[in-house]
Amino acid sequence: AQTVTQSQPEMSVQEAETVTLSCTYDTSESDYYLFWYKQPPSRQMILVIRQEAYKQQNATENRFSVNFQKAAKSFSLKISDSQLGDAAMYFCAYRDYGGATNKLIFGTGTLLAVQP
Amino acid sequence: EAGVTQFPSHSVIEKGQTVTLRCDPISGHDNLYWYRRVMGKEIKFLLHFVKESKQDESGMPNNRFLAERTGGTYSTLKVQPAELEDSGVYFCASSQGQASYGYTFGSGTRLTVV
Repeated sequence: AQTVTQSQPEMSVQEAETVTLSCTYDTSESDYYLFWYKQPPSRQMILVIRQEAYKQQNATENRFSVNFQKAAKSFSLKISDSQLGDAAMYFCAYRDYGGATNKLIFGTGTLLAVQP
Repeated sequence: EAGVTQFPSHSVIEKGQTVTLRCDPISGHDNLYWYRRVMGKEIKFLLHFVKESKQDESGMPNNRFLAERTGGTYSTLKVQPAELEDSGVYFCASSQGQASYGYTFGSGTRLTVV
């Protein structure tokens, strides 16, 4: 069964600095999707970034980028120029490519604090 | 477009009581999902509807949980009778098609069983 592990329960970063959140996963599939979701205190989860496993190029969305290492089954999120609004719980998630179900498998989350 | 709406946002009930959570997906989204996060743990899949049919209910913890989606629009998740371990945040999400771009989540219902 697929699993997702986030080994950092909490992280802290100074405003304008860069922080990297770790995520590893386990799967026997060769094609899949990986996601990072952000859940701010308002609680609605928002998709931050998405990676398709068959694409070698790392995904980037403005200040957010990933380091996708398929062989190592690692999918870390880098937040550059951190802002106060980045403070949130971040969840890494995995999804099989295709298949009958679209279910996501989540990690336990990393709570990110941004210090002014 | 309106997002995924869940209510109530917070519910506190006593052990043994019944609670019904509601989710209104984005209009036109055939796929509706329920997830749950118990404090400090991962978010776990409960079930997936395609229109009114249960596509995958492998994550439902036991028969105290009943999910319905009559008419393929909104969905309800009923817990009867509630136990202490049912406490957590229940998320609903919806998507069009295969959700390769992820879902749209609601804000969740925080259920506290005392």
